[in-house]
Amino acid sequence: QQPVQSPQAVILREGEDAVINCSSSKALYSVHWYRQKHGEAPVFLMILLKGGEQKGHEKISASFNEKKQQSSLYLTASQLSYSGTYFCGTEMGNTDKLIFGTGTRLQVFP
Amino acid sequence: GAVVSQHPSWVICKSGTSVKIECRSLDFQATTMFWYRQFPKQSLMLMATSNEGSKATYEQGVEKDKFLINHASLTLSTLTVTSAHPEDSSFYICSAHDTNTYEQYFGPGTRLTVT
Repeated sequence: QQPVQSPQAVILREGEDAVINCSSSKALYSVHWYRQKHGEAPVFLMILLKGGEQKGHEKISASFNEKKQQSSLYLTASQLSYSGTYFCGTEMGNTDKLIFGTGTRLQVFP
Repeated sequence: GAVVSQHPSWVICKSGTSVKIECRSLDFQATTMFWYRQFPKQSLMLMATSNEGSKATYEQGVEKDKFLINHASLTLSTLTVTSAHPEDSSFYICSAHDTNTYEQYFGPGTRLTVT
């Protein structure tokens, strides 16, 4: 039931791009993306509520393909501050309850 | 964004004792709060949904008699780990759902170590 994220880990040089995918075996109502730094709570990035919806937040954007039960997070021109573990939180009905994906660890080096 | 606080942020207790963790929404009312547990290098695992004024809803495999949840007001939920054992050592995080923004805001987490 836990959504699967890919890749598990990625290393970037500052300025490079990355894509993180989140796949669910069940139909999704919404997808939430979070970034968590070591020892801290997750920080909200964005919500995608509708199938096919795309959203952007500075150089971070995301898409949600309701039919494929997938969401992707796009990080462009990465910055050192982007380092951390990214989680998708999936909502499978209008329940407000989030099931988190397996996580993707991202490290950005100068 | 909205602020959710947790107390304590770090606790060490002896095996067999109970520990209470508080989760507060500071600037909004939350009829629903969630409790998660996170082991090192793993994802957040939902433990239970805390509903104001009613019983909590526990996820499969989570012992409701061991992890007592009380949501007595619209801004406070508590998680009590009863008869704690070393395997209960983990990072416990709460979140609160803001019905105005549809967002979930996470508390800073509580690191529990049972010796």
